[in-house]
Amino acid sequence: AQSVTQLGSHVSVSEGALVLLRCNYSSSVPPYLFWYVQYPNQGLQLLLKYTSAATLVKGINGFEAEFKKSETSFHLTKPSAHMSDAAEYFCAVSGNQAGTALIFGKGTTLSVSS
Amino acid sequence: NAGVTQTPKFQVLKTGQSMTLQCAQDMNHEYMSWYRQDPGMGLRLIHYSVGAGITDQGEVPNGYNVSRSTTEDFPLRLLSAAPSQTSVYFCASRKTTVFEQYFGPGTRLTVT
Repeated sequence: AQSVTQLGSHVSVSEGALVLLRCNYSSSVPPYLFWYVQYPNQGLQLLLKYTSAATLVKGINGFEAEFKKSETSFHLTKPSAHMSDAAEYFCAVSGNQAGTALIFGKGTTLSVSS
Repeated sequence: NAGVTQTPKFQVLKTGQSMTLQCAQDMNHEYMSWYRQDPGMGLRLIHYSVGAGITDQGEVPNGYNVSRSTTEDFPLRLLSAAPSQTSVYFCASRKTTVFEQYFGPGTRLTVT
C-alpha cells in the first residue's frame, strides 16, 4: 500500500524567495512519485515525475524535486518564487506495477507575496 | 485529441436524487479513475478501472457505482445523492504501463 504526507497545508513566501514544499511517502514497493499543481478553479497539471531514473527531477516552470530513498522524501523546490506560482500543490505516489492506483497527499497551498 | 472530458461542469441535486457524471477519453488509455476533491482532504480515489469490463474500489467507494463497457467511457453513478457527496469530481486516465495521469476539468456537484 502507498500513502503520502505533505508537511504544511499552507506555505507563504515572498517573491524571489526559495520555495520548498515537503512530501514524504510510504510504499511497500518501489514508488513512482509525482507533483501536480492546481490553479484556482482549474484541473490538475503535472509538474514533474520520478519513475526510477535520475533522482533529481526537473519539471515545468523551474520546479525540481529530489527523490531520497533513505528519507522517503520527494520535496519540491524552486529557487525563486514568482507571483504566478501561487496555487495548490499535490504530491502523489503509485507503485511501479501496471494498474496501480495513484494516491494523493492532502495538498499544500502556496501563497506568494510581493 | 480532446484528452479527458467530463460533463456536466456544474450540477445541483436534491438529497435522494440520482445522476451520472460522464467521463470520456480519446487517448486509448486502459486505466481510468474517479477522484473527489474536498477542502483539506486532497484527492481521494473513488473507483478505478484497468480496462473494459474491469473495475475496482478505491478509498471512498460508498454511495458510488461505476461500469466500464468501453475503453473510452467511465461513468460515475450516484444512486441516491447525499449532502456528504457535495464535492468536486475529477476523472483521470493513463496508459497502464505509463504512470503519468491526465485529468479532466472536473465536475462541481452540490447536493442540497
